[in-house]
Amino acid sequence: GAGVSQTPSNKVTEKGKYVELRCDPISGHTALYWYRQSLGQGPEFLIYFQGTGAADDSGLPNDRFFAVRPEGSVSTLKIQRTERGDSAVYLCASSQTRSGEQFFGPGTRLTVL
Amino acid sequence: AQTVTQSQPEMSVQEAETVTLSCTYDTSESDYYLFWYKQPPSRQMILVIRQEAYKQQNATENRFSVNFQKAAKSFSLKISDSQLGDAAMYFCAYSSYTGANSKLTFGKGITLSVRP
Repeated sequence: GAGVSQTPSNKVTEKGKYVELRCDPISGHTALYWYRQSLGQGPEFLIYFQGTGAADDSGLPNDRFFAVRPEGSVSTLKIQRTERGDSAVYLCASSQTRSGEQFFGPGTRLTVL
Repeated sequence: AQTVTQSQPEMSVQEAETVTLSCTYDTSESDYYLFWYKQPPSRQMILVIRQEAYKQQNATENRFSVNFQKAAKSFSLKISDSQLGDAAMYFCAYSSYTGANSKLTFGKGITLSVRP
């Protein structure tokens, strides 16, 4: 595939459960970003990876949120003990370089019941 | 911290007409990038246009152009010859030029509808 892909497209879970959201960036893109978009709002930055390392995780709301990118390609956003307030669309974007254009995936819509 | 403000929640335009979407921002930095993104119902963010703050010339991409007023911290998007496919959410966004990364700060967005 040529673009950024995210799975699943939709995820419904119950309060207190653990979820994993996956992002497959464009091949060769070293920079990867996660954003969260709540209903009626613009996306908000969560975390930035340059290669395998989380270079900036200042946007993660609390320690229930964690993300990894072990081989510098696919990234997984992990949310523990989900809360209803975590319901949102989670967007992933990748870019070829730190300052390059960011290409977005279609997002994962997470609903916590 | 940088902020981006889009005060118009919705706008409507007649097909083939011109519409301007407003955006203001606040920053203490002198070098930065500004963007307009389009988000259709498919949720996928698409870059419409980008402006480097150090460039005085306003960016243009086909039917899309911006009016960048650095002193006023204003960055509006003009869409000419509006088409039905232009209907979407539009987000104004900012990123630092000298920061450790290029994370985007978005406004709340504006819903644009196009009347046939």
